[in-house]
Amino acid sequence: ETGVTQSPTHLIKTRGQQVTLRCSSQSGHNTVSWYQQALGQGPQFIFQYYREEENGRGNFPPRFSGLQFPNYSSELNVNALELDDSALYLCASSLVRAGTGIHYGYTFGSGTRLTVV
Amino acid sequence: SQQGEEDPQALSIQEGENATMNCSYKTSINNLQWYRQNSGRGLVHLILIRSNEREKHSGRLRVTLDTSKKSSSLLITASRAADTASYFCATVGLTGGGNKLTFGTGTQLKVEL
Repeated sequence: ETGVTQSPTHLIKTRGQQVTLRCSSQSGHNTVSWYQQALGQGPQFIFQYYREEENGRGNFPPRFSGLQFPNYSSELNVNALELDDSALYLCASSLVRAGTGIHYGYTFGSGTRLTVV
Repeated sequence: SQQGEEDPQALSIQEGENATMNCSYKTSINNLQWYRQNSGRGLVHLILIRSNEREKHSGRLRVTLDTSKKSSSLLITASRAADTASYFCATVGLTGGGNKLTFGTGTQLKVEL
């Protein structure tokens, strides 16, 4: 059984650029969530994808967007990067049984450390 | 925004001592979970307690939940140097949000030899 893997582990971008972060879900999981963790803070929910559609979104602007693919892997895209976007980005996958809304096996990846200069 | 606060923000103890961390939250919940994070890396799920439960144990971990006070505590008994990490509580609300986790601000635990 594989865990959740994220790539890259570290990334440095310039203000105004665009970035794509990637996440491979744990085998058997069908839901992926993304979180942003600023230094010294708890993670904050960005959005969640289920069956390739956004299924819940936190208080983040539209320049944060995502995709979930048929193999349940996912991407987080951030456009027009700002200095405050510097953070650890965490991906988490889980299994939601149809019709229940209950998540099983919430598993986090090791994160991507994004630095915007 | 964060769901609530964790107390203390930092805790330093000797190996073998017990460590207690508290978490307060603001809204009604379906369940509350505790996570551990080493050196700003990924989060490791420790334990989940449902809103109709009051206490739960897992190995050296004991979690309590008081929904009337909207608070929870995590007790780590007989701490080890390897327990040094940041600990976060996270809640899942009753409705909507796609079962998102709302995290607290975390407690940094340092266990010294």
